[in-house]
Amino acid sequence: SAVISQKPSRDICQRGTSLTIQCQVDSQVTMMFWYRQQPGQSLTLIATANQGSEATYESGFVIDKFPISRPNLTFSTLTVSNMSPEDSSIYLCSVAVNRGDYGYTFGSGTRLTVV
Amino acid sequence: GNSVTQMEGPVTLSEEAFLTINCTYTATGYPSLFWYVQYPGEGLQLLLKATKADDKGSNKGFEATYRKETTSFHLEKGSVQVSDSAVYFCALTLYSSASKIIFGSGTRLSIRP
Repeated sequence: SAVISQKPSRDICQRGTSLTIQCQVDSQVTMMFWYRQQPGQSLTLIATANQGSEATYESGFVIDKFPISRPNLTFSTLTVSNMSPEDSSIYLCSVAVNRGDYGYTFGSGTRLTVV
Repeated sequence: GNSVTQMEGPVTLSEEAFLTINCTYTATGYPSLFWYVQYPGEGLQLLLKATKADDKGSNKGFEATYRKETTSFHLEKGSVQVSDSAVYFCALTLYSSASKIIFGSGTRLSIRP
């Protein structure tokens, strides 16, 4: 299965600033996914990042707040913009193995605290 | 719609106890089913999977059987260890919608020595 390197692993940021999270995959993948895990909660899909096209956002998430780049088949970034304490969460990227039938591989996550 | 419902936590057991974490699903098609585990301070790891009815997934002493008749995928382990303390997520994907993995709410498991 694919191996994902995600960074930073954690950060503490001031409100009103932005943070860009990077995910690098060791193989080419068509779709990459970005999730948010709020404290003590399950994972919520933010958006699907396709190479060469605009990301597809889930209900409740907008591009201005969470812009995504997907410049090639092995890399993606998620930016959390104009942060507030409510954005404090773990953010994870993920790729599907064989269209998801064999599961999804996740990055180790970025633990974000906004103060 | 498609959804996953799993046992409320936290669950606290003594070492060597038998573990069951219940998971049921609702799906419009034929889902693949998964259990993921999240150890403290870490990301998610795939624990086991089953892609069709009556399949049994197993790994690290954990097992789960895909039961189409009861739409269930309960996680079991015969003898838990302190190192099994983690949060466990039941999840499904649908081949027709491969971009969606739907997670349950997670069950926090704590094992006492």
